[in-house]
Amino acid sequence: GNSVTQMEGPVTLSEEAFLTINCTYTATGYPSLFWYVQYPGEGLQLLLKATKADDKGSNKGFEATYRKETTSFHLEKGSVQVSDSAVYFCALRIYSGGGADGLTFGKGTHLIIQP
Amino acid sequence: EAGVTQSPTHLIKTRGQQATLRCSPISGHTSVYWYQQALGLGLQFLLWYDEGEERNRGNFPPRFSGRQFPNYSSELNVNALELEDSALYLCASSWELNRGNSPLHFGNGTRLTVT
Repeated sequence: GNSVTQMEGPVTLSEEAFLTINCTYTATGYPSLFWYVQYPGEGLQLLLKATKADDKGSNKGFEATYRKETTSFHLEKGSVQVSDSAVYFCALRIYSGGGADGLTFGKGTHLIIQP
Repeated sequence: EAGVTQSPTHLIKTRGQQATLRCSPISGHTSVYWYQQALGLGLQFLLWYDEGEERNRGNFPPRFSGRQFPNYSSELNVNALELEDSALYLCASSWELNRGNSPLHFGNGTRLTVT
């Protein structure tokens, strides 16, 4: 089956630090990959996506590259801000011939940025 | 463009009662997904509706059911509520023409509390 593994945290960093949140996946086929962010009391917002190998998704200073050889989609940001504090979810979606299924999520990484 | 809207925001029920949660997708989106986000359990896929039909369901008992209306809005029904059904229920919609590539767009959820 399909699965996503990510570090759960909490991950605590100081403002302006470099961020990496690791995400690896297992999939039967060729998935599209996504990062979502959830701020306290809110639903999930799409942060970025990549639909094929070597694609780089980027948004708001965050970026992630679809690495088929290592089945990874690590999230990075060069300089984090306090406002980046949230829970980050890595997810995959795959078309299995019978139709696209929903997203398969990792368990989420709680990121805390201290001033 | 209006996003995915869910109602009610909060719902308090007692064990054994029934709960009905509602979702309106983004205009033009034909697919609706339901997820359960329980504390410590991450995001669990519940149901997927597309063009009025149930396309897939997650590993949940039959007392979790729903439907999609001709205007693509959806409702989730949970019968015979149990304490462990307390969770944030998230609805998402997507445009399915790009099978597997389309991101899901989430609402802010309904917080269900069972006492």
